[in-house]
Amino acid sequence: EDQVTQSPEALRLQEGESSSLNCSYTVSGLRGLFWYRQDPGKGPEFLFTLYSAGEEKEKERLKATLTKKESFLHITAPKPEDSATYLCAVRVYGGSQGNLIFGKGTKLSVKP
Amino acid sequence: NAGVTQTPKFRVLKTGQSMTLLCAQDMNHEYMYWYRQDPGMGLRLIHYSVGEGTTAKGEVPDGYNVSRLKKQNFLLGLESAAPSQTSVYFCASSYQGNSPLHFGNGTRLTVT
Repeated sequence: EDQVTQSPEALRLQEGESSSLNCSYTVSGLRGLFWYRQDPGKGPEFLFTLYSAGEEKEKERLKATLTKKESFLHITAPKPEDSATYLCAVRVYGGSQGNLIFGKGTKLSVKP
Repeated sequence: NAGVTQTPKFRVLKTGQSMTLLCAQDMNHEYMYWYRQDPGMGLRLIHYSVGEGTTAKGEVPDGYNVSRLKKQNFLLGLESAAPSQTSVYFCASSYQGNSPLHFGNGTRLTVT
């Protein structure tokens, strides 16, 4: 069974304190790995897509990396506005067309 | 550019009542999806569509029906609501099968 596990469930950081969120996956065949940000009361907002091991993507203070078993979302010098739930999802070969299998998310709180 | 719009934003139903959730997208996307999000469960696919006039079952389709009569609209129906259908429902769309999903802001449904 295809699975996505995110850790930690919750992370509290001080402003400027860099850290990483983990997304480990067990899938039959990876078509792509996606990172989303979700604010309370809103829908997930797309951040990055990674397709192959070794690939990296960056956007402002966020950097996503991918290996054959997991992905990391690195947050450098976070600000309070980075507080949100970060969701990881995978798309697999042979699954429902276009469907993403989501992890349960990591809730990030950044205190000033 | 509105993206993905869901109506209504909130709804309370009594057990056994019916309702339809509407999703509209203005990005000319082929694929559309309905997910539900429950605490501790992550996002789960209910039904999806790969083009106008097509629908298919996802991971948790029981108790729901869908229709895609126009490319820009995807409707989710509950014929006889049950308390287990209390959830936040998200609609999403994507350009093609390996593109990122773009989400609406959800409908919060409570069934009493």
